[in-house]
Amino acid sequence: KAGVTQTPRYLIKTRGQQVTLSCSPISGHRSVSWYQQTPGQGLQFLFEYFSETQRNKGNFPGRFSGRQFSNSRSEMNVSTLELGDSALYLCASSPSSSTPLTDTQYFGPGTRLTVL
Amino acid sequence: AQSVTQPDIHITVSEGASLELRCNYSYGATPYLFWYVQSPGQGLQLLLKYFSGDTLVQGIKGFEAEFKRSQSSFNLRKPSVHWSDAAEYFCAVGADYGGATNKLIFGTGTLLAVQP
Repeated sequence: KAGVTQTPRYLIKTRGQQVTLSCSPISGHRSVSWYQQTPGQGLQFLFEYFSETQRNKGNFPGRFSGRQFSNSRSEMNVSTLELGDSALYLCASSPSSSTPLTDTQYFGPGTRLTVL
Repeated sequence: AQSVTQPDIHITVSEGASLELRCNYSYGATPYLFWYVQSPGQGLQLLLKYFSGDTLVQGIKGFEAEFKRSQSSFNLRKPSVHWSDAAEYFCAVGADYGGATNKLIFGTGTLLAVQP
C-alpha cells in the first residue's frame, strides 16, 4: 500500500497570503489528523476528520481550517498567514476503529511552510 | 490536563551501547501511550504503543518500553544502539475524549546522536 502523501512538500508564502495543504491518506483509512510542528511549540494537534466530519479540534485560531472529502483526502487551509505559522505540517491517517486511540496512525512526510 | 514530559532534550550514546529515553505522563486513568521516531526530513513512525496488559511492550527496530504506573513513566529502551537509530524520539499520550478521537499529546522530543 502507498503511504500517506502530502503536497506540496515545500511552500514559501508571504505574510497575509493564504495557503492550502493537501493530504492523501492510506487507502481504506477514514480518519485524517493534522499536526503543526515547530521548534518552539513542538508537535501540536490541529484537527481530526472522520467521514468528512471534524471530530476534534485543537487550540488554534480560526484562521486554521480543514475539510475532508468523500474519498478521505483532506485539505487544511491557513488564511492571513503570519510569520509564526512557519512550520512543518504533518498529516496522519488511521483506519479509525470503534476505539480510535488503539489505531496506529501513519504520518506523512509533511509540508514545510515558510512565511516571509 | 494531560501532558507528557521528556526530560532529556539531547542524548549522545556510543554505537553498541544501551539506550534509555525517559518519558513521564500526567493522566488520571490508564493512559494510551506511544513512542514515535522522526528521522530528518521524515514524518513520524510508530515504534510501539501501550494500552493495557503486559507492562513491557516490544516494538519495531529492537525497541521496548516499560509502563510503570507508580512512576507515571513509559521509558523507551534498546540494548544496543545502531548508528541508524540517530533521530528524534517522541513520547505521546492519547487525549481522553471518551474514546471518540485519536488526538495525541506529544512530548517535546529527545534528539539522539550516536557516536561511532
